[in-house]
Amino acid sequence: AQKVTQAQTEISVVEKEDVTLDCVYETRDTTYYLFWYKQPPSGELVFLIRRNSFDEQNEISGRYSWNFQKSTSSFNFTITASQVVDSAVYFCALSEPYNTDKLIFGTGTRLQVFP
Amino acid sequence: DGGITQSPKYLFRKEGQNVTLSCEQNLNHDAMYWYRQDPGQGLRLIYYSQIVNDFQKGDIAEGYSVSREKKESFPLTVTSAQKNPTAFYLCASSFGSRTEAFFGQGTRLTVV
Repeated sequence: AQKVTQAQTEISVVEKEDVTLDCVYETRDTTYYLFWYKQPPSGELVFLIRRNSFDEQNEISGRYSWNFQKSTSSFNFTITASQVVDSAVYFCALSEPYNTDKLIFGTGTRLQVFP
Repeated sequence: DGGITQSPKYLFRKEGQNVTLSCEQNLNHDAMYWYRQDPGQGLRLIYYSQIVNDFQKGDIAEGYSVSREKKESFPLTVTSAQKNPTAFYLCASSFGSRTEAFFGQGTRLTVV
């Protein structure tokens, strides 16, 4: 079955702290795609990153980094030196383009960064 | 500007009435999706469409209907059969599930 689990419902940190958001997925397919999205208070989801199942290289983009580990079915997201503007709900998502072709989201993690 | 537009932003309806939420995109995307968001439950897939005149049920399709007569448009009707329709509805589009999806700003539906 296709499933995404974000066990952390809410995380609170103080500005400049590092924070990691966890994402664990389930899939029967060998070809799949993983995504992270940010939802600020305005409500519109903003795309952050896409990973396919054949690319396990970690990625860094500024203060953001992602750790993809197929062995543990995880795709974790780390924000280094967090800022107040990082406060949002973050969603991890999974698609199986050769199976159901659905785009399924986790329940999200609300991150609050305090000054 | 290219993008995906949902309207209206806020919608109030009386219980028992059908209501249609609009979603239009000018990104030339083939795939379109409707999600429902409730507090603490993340985004749940209602319906999705990979091509014009074809669509599939998502995980919570009961009480909803859609159409895809044009590539640009994917309206969602919340029928009176939907037992708890008050929620935030998000529409998205993409070139397919291998690519990133672009989201509209959402419609907050309140049924009174």
